[in-house]
Amino acid sequence: DIPLIQSPSFLSASVGDRVTITCRASQGISTHLAWYQQKPGKAPELLIYEASALQGGVPSRFSGSGSGTDFTLTISGLQPEDSATYYCQQLSNYRVYNFGQGTKLEIK
Amino acid sequence: QVQIVESGGGVVQPGTSLRLSCAASGFTFSSYAMHWVRQAPGKGLEWVAVVSFDGKNNFYADSVKGRFTVSRDNSKNAVYLHVNSLRPEDTAVYYCARFEFRSHKDNSYQAAFDVWGQGTLVTVSS
Repeated sequence: DIPLIQSPSFLSASVGDRVTITCRASQGISTHLAWYQQKPGKAPELLIYEASALQGGVPSRFSGSGSGTDFTLTISGLQPEDSATYYCQQLSNYRVYNFGQGTKLEIK
Repeated sequence: QVQIVESGGGVVQPGTSLRLSCAASGFTFSSYAMHWVRQAPGKGLEWVAVVSFDGKNNFYADSVKGRFTVSRDNSKNAVYLHVNSLRPEDTAVYYCARFEFRSHKDNSYQAAFDVWGQGTLVTVSS
């Protein structure tokens, strides 16, 4: 297992704000990190793969960066529909694909 | 369109077994590894297991190793998760997800869980 620590665990921001969520891996994982968005009662949806590649159909206000052990998900120009829980996931080990503990984003 | 649908969940007693199913459509199923991910009520996502595209290689989270078995039937475009010796802490929504994996000539690769089902709820309670 390669533990992932997300911060913060909870985030409150206003429409139009820029927010950043961080994900730190316990060891280097190159760029093999993905970000998912999950809304209550729904399945997760892929936002970003390989640390910075935007999944098709995802709004361009979402962006990712990082490599090695430190990664960030940035949402520029928050929208009401961005209220959700965000998870990072490492995909550098073919035997295990663990997730971070999640960051709940509230729109004020 | 690309779709994944899980089924087989329910309310079961501790110590019993269950078979969860995942039906896929809209893509070349036999070309993709498939994963199971679960989420306990009010908790985060927990990766559970993966089955390779041909069913020959499987890996499990330590928390389920020895109790859960993942398999697939490419002729039916289906993945299964056999869950045995169920415990209350196995109570969760179980999701099936497609593994998108692209390798490159320089040995680099891209990977992610790009398609998810809606999940099936398993409740373990006496």
